[in-house]
Amino acid sequence: KQEVTQIPAALSVPEGENLVLNCSFTDSAIYNLQWFRQDPGKGLTSLLLIQSSQREQTSGRLNASLDKSSGRSTLYIAASQPGDSATYLCAVLNNNDMRFGAGTRLTVKP
Amino acid sequence: NAGVTQTPKFQVLKTGQSMTLQCAQDMNHEYMSWYRQDPGMGLRLIHYSVGAGITDQGEVPNGYNVSRSTTEDFPLRLLSAAPSQTSVYFCASSYPRGTTEETQYFGPGTRLLVL
Repeated sequence: KQEVTQIPAALSVPEGENLVLNCSFTDSAIYNLQWFRQDPGKGLTSLLLIQSSQREQTSGRLNASLDKSSGRSTLYIAASQPGDSATYLCAVLNNNDMRFGAGTRLTVKP
Repeated sequence: NAGVTQTPKFQVLKTGQSMTLQCAQDMNHEYMSWYRQDPGMGLRLIHYSVGAGITDQGEVPNGYNVSRSTTEDFPLRLLSAAPSQTSVYFCASSYPRGTTEETQYFGPGTRLLVL
């Protein structure tokens, strides 16, 4: 059974700092891994998708990496802004089954 | 394109009552799914459907029923609500099915409180 873990559970940083969020999974036979953003009381917004054959994806200030062999992914946020404050979820997709981590709650202080 | 829509946004039920959470998508996606999100536990899959007329159980199916009569709609039914079903429910669709590019699209969620 796939298990997804995100560390840390919460993170508070000053504005402008670069930061890394971590995601680990136990079964490396995945189709892809997605990083989502969730604002309080809202739904999930897809940030980046890394296919199983890829090593990383970039979108603006966000960079996500994938190491299937070690069962790890990182989400790097450069030059953080208060607007980045949200919960970040990673999810891995196996056939017919997407498993989520519990998320990292990020607070960026002005 | 409205994407994935869910109704209602918020609902309060008494123990033993039944209700249906509605989900619709206008992207012609074959795969649709229901998740529940509880504090500190991430999202867990309740039921999913790979096309009209085909449904299957996910990780936490007990107490929930689904049906899929059309590609667009995928309602979730609570037959006899229990306090343990207090949660936030998300509906999702995904495309392209069964590929490494498969991306999930989520609705805004339904917040359910069972007293």
